[in-house]
Amino acid sequence: GDSVTQMEGPVTLSEEAFLTINCTYTATGYPSLFWYVQYPGEGLQLLLKATKADDKGSNKGFEATYRKETTSFHLEKGSVQVSDSAVYFCATVSGGSEKLVFGKGTKLTVNP
Amino acid sequence: GAVVSQHPSRVICKSGTSVKIECRSLDFQATTMFWYRQFPKQSLMLMATSNEGSKATYEQGVEKDKFLINHASLTLSTLTVTSAHPEDSSFYICSAREGPGDGYTFGSGTRLTVV
Repeated sequence: GDSVTQMEGPVTLSEEAFLTINCTYTATGYPSLFWYVQYPGEGLQLLLKATKADDKGSNKGFEATYRKETTSFHLEKGSVQVSDSAVYFCATVSGGSEKLVFGKGTKLTVNP
Repeated sequence: GAVVSQHPSRVICKSGTSVKIECRSLDFQATTMFWYRQFPKQSLMLMATSNEGSKATYEQGVEKDKFLINHASLTLSTLTVTSAHPEDSSFYICSAREGPGDGYTFGSGTRLTVV
């Protein structure tokens, strides 16, 4: 079945540091890929998505590129802020399914 | 954008009682809704998929009689935890999508504590 493997945390960075959270996927067909963010005590918010190979999703300074050749969708941000502290989930859904499959989540803490 | 409202955000109940959690799509019609459970510091576990007007499809290992799901309209799905026990304490999150190919919008979650 479909699966997502993402970098285990926690990740602790200083403000303005560069962020990378790795994510690789296994899925059938042509999956869509997502990054969701969860702030403490809240539900999930869609951060960005990509629906086909070589697409780049971007939002709030975060970016991720759908790489079919490496089955990856790594999340990056050039300069993190304290307000970016949250848990980040990579997820996929295959074309033949409607169920989102999540990675285990990566907790990011950004210190001033 | 699409908004999903989940209520209540927190609930404490006694063992043996039932608790109902509501999930509403506010500005779109949700043909499909999903219910997840999240344990502390862990990922989301899909419990069931509900389609408006039909029975929910439960994931393996999820007790249908304990977690009753109703999706009676295109804007409302409910999850009822019946005869709750302390081990049912968890964070429950719903999500909805308008149709195939659309994005998934999540509710803000419900923290259930059974005492």
